[in-house]
Amino acid sequence: QVQLVQSGAEVKKPGASVKVSCKASGYTFSNYWISWVRQSPGQGLEWMGSVSAHDGGIRSAQKLQGRVFMTTDTSRRTANLELRSLISEDTAVYYCARGLKSFDSWGQGTLVRVSS
Amino acid sequence: QSALTQPASVSASPGQSITISCTGTSSDIGTYNYVSWYQQLPDKAPKLVIFDVSDRPSGVSNRFSGSKSGNTASLTISGLRAEDEANYFCSSHTTSATVVFGGGTKLTVL
Repeated sequence: QVQLVQSGAEVKKPGASVKVSCKASGYTFSNYWISWVRQSPGQGLEWMGSVSAHDGGIRSAQKLQGRVFMTTDTSRRTANLELRSLISEDTAVYYCARGLKSFDSWGQGTLVRVSS
Repeated sequence: QSALTQPASVSASPGQSITISCTGTSSDIGTYNYVSWYQQLPDKAPKLVIFDVSDRPSGVSNRFSGSKSGNTASLTISGLRAEDEANYFCSSHTTSATVVFGGGTKLTVL
């Protein structure tokens, strides 16, 4: 079955960067986009961007452009998210999900806390 | 891109039906049939229950159905069960080739 397993929780200081990984199994990795969605504590879902595992194509939310970087490593069946210049408002659970326009499988989530 | 608009909460008794609305604009829901709905239980990852306005993924109960009219999409859950109590989020593809989510609706089964 399709499974997405994310890396563990992170605590970062303001201004630092964080990397979250998402390892896929159970399907042909290069046939799908991987999207990243975050959820601040007690809040709704926010789409951050999507990366094609086929050709590395990128789509990202305008408010995060310049700070968010998404890549895939097809040999390791892994998608990676890097968020730079962290601020306290970046504290959230970060999810990877399979798909571009709808997301049919989700990772378990990675808590990123930004605190001085 | 502004978030899609959902009611903050809805409630109903077991066995009843509810409908959750999701209002967007001509830049998202009004242009594309790429509306999805997600169910999120407490402290869990979201789960896709409806995609492409009205399609159900394999394994999702046929008590869940979706529709769209103009700039507004709707999720209907019939024959409510206690296990349906959750937060529900809609999303849509946009003309900017991005995805926008609704603010979420808390469903309480009385």
